Formats: sequence, structure tokens, C-alpha cells
Amino acid sequence: DVVLTQSPLSLPVTLGQPASVSCRSSQSLVSSDGNTYLSWFHQRPGQSPGRLIYKVSGRDSGVPDRFSGSGSGTDFTLKISRVEAEDVGVYYCMQGTHWPPTFGGGTKVEIK
Amino acid sequence: EVQLVESGGGFVQPGGSLRLSCAASGFTFHIHAMSWVRQAPGKGLEWVSCLSGSGYGTYYADSVKGRFTISRDNSKNTLYLQMNSLRAEDTASYYCAQGGHRYSGFELDSWGQGTLVAVS
Repeated sequence: DVVLTQSPLSLPVTLGQPASVSCRSSQSLVSSDGNTYLSWFHQRPGQSPGRLIYKVSGRDSGVPDRFSGSGSGTDFTLKISRVEAEDVGVYYCMQGTHWPPTFGGGTKVEIK
Repeated sequence: EVQLVESGGGFVQPGGSLRLSCAASGFTFHIHAMSWVRQAPGKGLEWVSCLSGSGYGTYYADSVKGRFTISRDNSKNTLYLQMNSLRAEDTASYYCAQGGHRYSGFELDSWGQGTLVAVS
């Protein structure tokens, strides 16, 4: 199975400052159809996950533009340009290129 | 607006069974693949199972293969997960999610609020 390694595990951030989460894959996530099926999800405390980003950099409807995804091959990044209080929680990456689909272990974002 | 509402969770003894349901609304249910994803208390996310819009293509994680059965009733816009021979390690919140194609790139769109299964 493809292993997704997220770093850091915990990310204390200051309100209004940028934040970045890394997701590294054990295999290239480029699919035979040319797409890269790497998504990012945000799970607030006590809530279910919600998708932020699909296919590396596509932002879901309603997701603030302070969130952006980038990367290629095996290295991917989720960036928050200016952290707001509602951004706390755990962020997960997920790959859907190789079977079975797998998730990263998560990065917990908290306010300093 | 897409809505997914899970039900059927609860407490069960090891070796017991439970059937989870997920009522879907706000989208054309029968054309979408659907999935179940679980999260053990304090842990990360684990894909469990998915099936095609028609219900004929079903897929399982190795950890549940032979014990869990996914199905759907497109006339009722409802997804199911029959869980048999439950083990302590199956204790988790179970989320229903829209999406999960086996052969055309696996993506999960909207998620439900989850239902808790406790095996003890």
C-alpha cells in the first residue's frame, strides 16, 4: 500500500501568520490518466472531515482562498496564507491513484 | 446541498453484528459511487469499503474483507454496511462519503457526520 507521511505532526501557529503542511508519498501519485489524485481534508474537533483540496490544487466550493495546494509526483504541500481561529483541527492528505486508497497520519494545527 | 446521515451505530460484544445505514439527499444518488471510512478513537482515517453506483462493484479493505458487506438501495437513496464477526479493533466512528471509484481515480467529496461503533 502507498504510505503517505505528513509533517509536522503538530503545528502551533500564530493567528494571521502562514502555515504549511507536507505530505510525502512512497510512490508517485501520477495516474495513468494523467491526473494526480491527492486530496486534503480538514477535521475540526468533534466534527467529520471536510474536503478542502482535490487533485493536488483544486479548491472545493466554499473553501476560503487562503487555502492552497501544490506539489507533484511524491511531494505535496497544503498552505494556509493567514491562519484564522476556525482553521484549528487536524489536516489529512489522501491518495486515490493507487489501490487501496490511503490517508496520511494527520497534522494537528493549533493556535499558539 | 448534499446531506449524508448515518445511523445504526452502538455497543456490541465481540463476535456480534451491526448494520449501519446512510441516508443520502441533495444529489442523484444512483449515479455516484459511495464509500465507508472509519476513524478509531483518537486515531487517523481508514478507508473501509466502496461500491459503484449500480451496486455491482464492491471493494473492501483487507482488515474487513469477509466480515463486512456494503450494499445500497437506490430506490431509498440509502447506503448500508453490514458488519459481522465484530472485533475490538473495529471500534471507530464510521463515516459515509460520496465518491470512491475503483477504476477511475478514487476521490471522496462530501462526508456524513458519522456513527460510533463500540465493540466491547
